[in-house]
Parts: sequence; C-alpha cells; structure tokens
Amino acid sequence: DAKTTQPNSMESNEEEPVHLPCNHSTISGTDYIHWYRQLPSQGPEYVIHGLTSNVNNRMASLAIAEDRKSSTLILHRATLRDAAVYYCILPTSGTYKYIFGTGTRLKVLA
Amino acid sequence: NAGVTQTPKFQVLKTGQSMTLQCAQDMNHEYMSWYRQDPGMGLRLIHYSVGAGITDQGEVPNGYNVSRSTTEDFPLRLLSAAPSQTSVYFCASSYSSGLAGSQGGANVLTFGAGSRLTVL
Repeated sequence: DAKTTQPNSMESNEEEPVHLPCNHSTISGTDYIHWYRQLPSQGPEYVIHGLTSNVNNRMASLAIAEDRKSSTLILHRATLRDAAVYYCILPTSGTYKYIFGTGTRLKVLA
Repeated sequence: NAGVTQTPKFQVLKTGQSMTLQCAQDMNHEYMSWYRQDPGMGLRLIHYSVGAGITDQGEVPNGYNVSRSTTEDFPLRLLSAAPSQTSVYFCASSYSSGLAGSQGGANVLTFGAGSRLTVL
C-alpha cells in the first residue's frame, strides 16, 4: 500500500503563503493524491486532489512532483481560519480504502 | 441537501452496553465508511461499504459490526462497549465509480460532523 509521510506540525504567519509537503515515494501510476483538512472539533473536509498535473481550486493549489513521489499543498494566503490538521492520503490501490495518517498540524500566527 | 448526518452527537455508555451509531447520507453515494479518532490522533478506518449488502473490514474492525441494507444508511454497532472504544466516530461517503488506483481513486469523501462516545 502506498503510504504518505508528512511533518507533524508547521507554523505560518497570517496572510503569507504556506507550503505543506507530503512524501509518497511508493505511489503507483494510477494512485490519486488527496488532501483533506480537519478544523478543531469538526469532521475532516475535502481540500483538493490530483493525479499528475498541478491542480487549483478556490481553497488551495496542489503541486505534484514530476516523478509523483511527493506533492505540496499550497495555501496562497493563510488566515487564522486555516489553522487545522492537514491530511495527505492516497486511496489504496485495488481497494476502496482511504487510510489516513496523523497529518500536519498547521498553526497560523496573527 | 443535508450531506452526511450522524446521530447521536454525544453518548455515554457503561462497559458492556450495546448501542448503534447512525449515519445517513442523501447524496446517493454508493461508498460509505466509518472512522474512529482517538484524542490527538489521526483517523483509523473501521469498516466500509461499496453498496447495499456489501461491507468489508478496515484497519480496526474488532468490536464493531456494520450492515448496509439501504444506500442511504450505514449504522455502526457496538455489541459490548469497552473503555478502549471511547473515541470520536466519523462517517464518510463518496461516489464509487471503481476501485482506488483506477478512476475510483478520484472520488472524494464527504464527512459527517462526528459522534463523541465515552465508555465508562
């Protein structure tokens, strides 16, 4: 099963960009990369996902390395509301399992 | 459009009691799943279902039963609650157009707000 590695925590200043890294060196060619975030005392929510090309939506951008062994979630201007745990996951190939790790806790400083 | 609805939001049980956590979705999603989240930890997959009548085990299935009689509902049963099952439980759903690693991997999860369970 493809696994992901993320830093336990990161800090950012408000209104500055944030780059959250994720390593997935055992990714297979058809594995999608998903990002979710969990605000305090809430359920996780979808942020963005992609396969090979970089992706943008209203919440964030996803930059995928050319060899797909790593990806970066980019929040263009962090706000206090972006303080959350961010999870990078790869739905397990050949199954219907979405396995979450411990994620990166992002702290945004005012 | 309510999305994924979990009930109850809070529950306190005594050791050995049984209960059912309810999960319902109104998005016609084929795929539904249950996770538990212990304090300060990530989410762990308990059971999942890819359609009515079809269920399978996740990472931590012991002590939990599930069934899927309708597309909309996916209840999680604790037959004999233990203190180790004190946790926050999340239900999630998505469309299921295929296995992960194929087009199915593009399906994104929608989560409920969670059910906080304490077993004394």
